[in-house]
Order: sequence, then structure tokens, then C-alpha cells
Amino acid sequence: EAQVTQNPRYLITVTGKKLTVTCSQNMNHEYMSWYRQDPGLGLRQIYYSMNVEVTDKGDVPEGYKVSRKEKRNFPLILESPSPNQTSLYFCASRRGGSSYNSPLHFGNGTRLTVT
Amino acid sequence: DAKTTQPPSMDCAEGRAANLPCNHSTISGNEYVYWYRQIHSQGPQYIIHGLKNNETNEMASLIITEDRKSSTLILPHATLRDTAVYYCIVRGGGATNKLIFGTGTLLAVQP
Repeated sequence: EAQVTQNPRYLITVTGKKLTVTCSQNMNHEYMSWYRQDPGLGLRQIYYSMNVEVTDKGDVPEGYKVSRKEKRNFPLILESPSPNQTSLYFCASRRGGSSYNSPLHFGNGTRLTVT
Repeated sequence: DAKTTQPPSMDCAEGRAANLPCNHSTISGNEYVYWYRQIHSQGPQYIIHGLKNNETNEMASLIITEDRKSSTLILPHATLRDTAVYYCIVRGGGATNKLIFGTGTLLAVQP
């Protein structure tokens, strides 16, 4: 089944403790992206990647890092999480290149709480 | 990317067609109209997209006006499981152009 898989689904952590949220897709998509969703603010893009080893900042990149060493994986790294990063996170992927208008496929989300 | 305007909420009776409007009066020629929905806190689900022709798939139909300034998503036979927030998004060409999600329309399908 074609899907975007995020782990974990739920995560509670403390301020300053580094964490990684994993994202993997099995559709051979070039483009991958991370969003966060907060009440009243909608979905906002954190980082995106056009292909392996190519990443760029979205609208709210502060406090986050990403890497794209393999096509299928796009982990989101919080080096020193803070309470304002408590949010619902979504990873997404789509075909790239000349298919840039192809639809975005989303994972089921990771609910992160930082205390 | 052009902005979109959607009603904040709508009701629909189960089994009836749900018609969700979207205004995108500043859309430009190479911008597509996308529709996604989000059920509770699940990941947004792609429904349909189009440029200027009407489109239909197994989930819905998309009607785009001739001037492309508005569109309507039609769910032909709404069920309770279609209760969700529906997002209308306009996105231009270019590989890096991202989807910008607004606040959407909360569709409540009533039994």
C-alpha cells in the first residue's frame, strides 16, 4: 500500500532533550515536506526537500533540522525542543520533476508535547 | 499563490450532495485548484485538483467556473464519514511552490 509513515504517533518529552521524528514513504517520491499544525494557525511548512541531499526552509524552520540522505526517508530533528514546539506534525511527499503538480500525500501525524 | 475564501462551516444531510464553494478571484493562469480534507486530526487527504476543466474522480467532482475565479467541490452522496474540514488551495507552477492551507470549511454531515 502506498503510504507515508511517521513515527512515533505520540511523543511527550521535556525541554532540551533532543528528539527525532521519522518519516518514510514507499512511493519513490522526490519531494518531501514537513508541516506543523496549530489551532488557529492552520498547517505551516517547516522544511521541504526536492530530492536527496537537497533541503530548504519553509515558513517556520526555527528550532528544526532535517536531512535527506535517502530518497524514502526525511527525518525531522529537534535538537533542543521547547514548549512552543508542542504541536501536531505531518510529513508529506509527492512526485517531483515535471510532475510538480501531482498531489501531496500526508502521513497520519505525530502529536508532540514538550513540557 | 492566490488566496482562497471558503465559508467556515456547512451542514449537509446524509445521502444528499454536498456542494462546497471556494472563491479564488485572484487566481492566475498557471495556478491549479486543489481540494484536500482533514478528518479530525488525521493527515490531510487529497481529493481532487484541476486547472480549468471540470474534473471527476471516485471521491468527488470539481466544477471550476469559466473565469476560474471560483470553484465548487461536489460530494455526490455525503455520508457521516465525510464530516471533515475541507481545504480549497490554489497553487502555482514551479517545483518549489508549496500548498498553503487556509482555515477551510467544516462540513458536518447530519444523519
